[in-house]
Amino acid sequence: GENVEQHPSTLSVQEGDSAVIKCTYSDSASNYFPWYKQELGKRPQLIIDIRSNVGEKKDQRIAVTLNKTAKHFSLHITETQPEDSAVYFCAATQKLTFGTGTRLTIIP
Amino acid sequence: DAGVIQSPRHEVTEMGQEVTLRCKLISGHNSLFWYRQTMMRGLELLIYFNNNVPIDDSGMPEDRFSAKMPNASFSTLKIQPSEPRDSAVYFCASDITGAGELFFGEGSRLTVL
Repeated sequence: GENVEQHPSTLSVQEGDSAVIKCTYSDSASNYFPWYKQELGKRPQLIIDIRSNVGEKKDQRIAVTLNKTAKHFSLHITETQPEDSAVYFCAATQKLTFGTGTRLTIIP
Repeated sequence: DAGVIQSPRHEVTEMGQEVTLRCKLISGHNSLFWYRQTMMRGLELLIYFNNNVPIDDSGMPEDRFSAKMPNASFSTLKIQPSEPRDSAVYFCASDITGAGELFFGEGSRLTVL
């Protein structure tokens, strides 16, 4: 089955700086890679996703890059704001296998 | 649509008791996923259904866990007998097969004493 590894597990960033979270996956057949944000005590919610036919996708301050050869993908958040503080999960494949999460803290 | 609805939101029970968690899918969705979330293990996929049929239950921890989908809009996850290590937040999520985005319920926080 699919194995998804996510790094780092925790990340603290000064407000206004950029944050990068990385994931690797094992199943070369995986073709869908979403990122979910989970605020404290709430449900995970999709923030951005990418399919295997593109290498990069951007939505305002959030971007995701995919390297299928190396089997890794990354989440980039620019101009971070306090409301970006949350746990972020990557996932791979249609039967979504999640990474272990990254707790992002934005320091005002 | 009200989204994915889970009940109960919180459950506290004693070891050995039966626990039933419930989930109502978003109308029109045909895939249903049950996840368990803990600090140590993150979000673990327990089982998923497609068109009411269980497709993969390899994540179900052991025979104490069972899940059913009696109709296209409703699912239950049962733990019998429950143990303290089952304490976690259980999420169900639904989507339209192939569409990608999972819609999560608010979760059921289970505490087994």
